[in-house]
Amino acid sequence: AQSVTQLGSHVSVSEGALVLLRCNYSSSVPPYLFWYVQYPNQGLQLLLKYTSAATLVKGINGFEAEFKKSETSFHLTKPSAHMSDAAEYFCAVSEGNTGKLIFGQGTTLQVKP
Amino acid sequence: EAQVTQNPRYLITVTGKKLTVTCSQNMNHEYMSWYRQDPGLGLRQIYYSMNVEVTDKGDVPEGYKVSRKEKRNFPLILESPSPNQTSLYFCASSKVQGAVNQPQHFGDGTRLSIL
Repeated sequence: AQSVTQLGSHVSVSEGALVLLRCNYSSSVPPYLFWYVQYPNQGLQLLLKYTSAATLVKGINGFEAEFKKSETSFHLTKPSAHMSDAAEYFCAVSEGNTGKLIFGQGTTLQVKP
Repeated sequence: EAQVTQNPRYLITVTGKKLTVTCSQNMNHEYMSWYRQDPGLGLRQIYYSMNVEVTDKGDVPEGYKVSRKEKRNFPLILESPSPNQTSLYFCASSKVQGAVNQPQHFGDGTRLSIL
């Protein structure tokens, strides 16, 4: 069965610093991977997705993620954190042909002034 | 505006009192799904539907029912709610072609408290 592990339930960075949120997956087939962001009292919004077209995926709000098959990783980065980036971030892998998303536990990003 | 609409957004109720959470999407999506979100567990799928009259269990279906009589609507039914169903619920939809790589659109969530 596929699974997703997000390392670190809480990450704190200073405004302007690099953001790195870690995600590792397990999958027996080429995966489809996603990063979603959840702002307080809102639903999940798609940041970016990997569908095997390119290993470096650019998303919205300046985020990007790199698919590394050898490391089974799909870490999310942003060069310079902004206060508005404070939210919870979820990594997910799509399973089989059902379209089901398997989510990681989530990482809360805190941005300090 | 493309959206997934859930109602109610908040509900406090008591054990055993049947309730329904509605979900409607205006994007003509074939695929719809319900998830529950619990601290430290991320989101877990309850039920999903690939099209009208086609539904199937996800990972945590116990205590829930769904129906898909129309393409746009996918209500979640708790026949006899219990306190362990207190959670934050999300409905999502996507196109079904290549469902595995189509991003899902999420509603804003329904926070249920079962006393």
